[in-house]
Amino acid sequence: TQLLEQSPQFLSIQEGENLTVYCNSSSVFSSLQWYRQEPGEGPVLLVTVVTGGEVKKLKRLTFQFGDARKDSSLHITAAQPGDTGLYLCARRSTGTASKLTFGTGTRLQVTL
Amino acid sequence: NAGVTQTPKFRVLKTGQSMTLLCAQDMNHEYMYWYRQDPGMGLRLIHYSVGEGTTAKGEVPDGYNVSRLKKQNFLLGLESAAPSQTSVYFCASSQGNEQFFGPGTRLTVL
Repeated sequence: TQLLEQSPQFLSIQEGENLTVYCNSSSVFSSLQWYRQEPGEGPVLLVTVVTGGEVKKLKRLTFQFGDARKDSSLHITAAQPGDTGLYLCARRSTGTASKLTFGTGTRLQVTL
Repeated sequence: NAGVTQTPKFRVLKTGQSMTLLCAQDMNHEYMYWYRQDPGMGLRLIHYSVGEGTTAKGEVPDGYNVSRLKKQNFLLGLESAAPSQTSVYFCASSQGNEQFFGPGTRLTVL
């Protein structure tokens, strides 16, 4: 199994702070997705990145795909309590079923 | 649309008991998946299906069986539950880039 390591594992910050979480692998991704999971619910897709060096923005969230396509980062600007949740990166496999291999997750808590 | 639904939401089993988890989707998706989620390990793929009547093994298939008799349903079975199968189980469906997840089933095996 090709592991996806995420860091940090836990992050507790106050509203208004900025943060970055990381997703790393020893192998190249064909494409990578970021999901957010809230307590008691399933993960929800935030973004898909495909091209090395690609940057995508989703409101206050900025996603970057490494040039070598072995790593990715998620930066949140001015975090809000609604950003609280588990952030998961996932490698999409090539092939018919588009299977996902998930990272270990970063649990974010944003307090007032 | 209900999206992806899972039944039951919670279940407690004794070691050796059997049970079936039901996943249903109303989006006419071809692909369906079963994952388990354990602390610090993200989600791991148990089994998946690329269409009605087909199933395939994922990363952690041992101790589980699945069936996809109808396109909209994907069943996950535990024939003889073990404490190591205590986990939260998620079903997902997709037709392309995005997987849509159900709300999960929390299973405890005593």
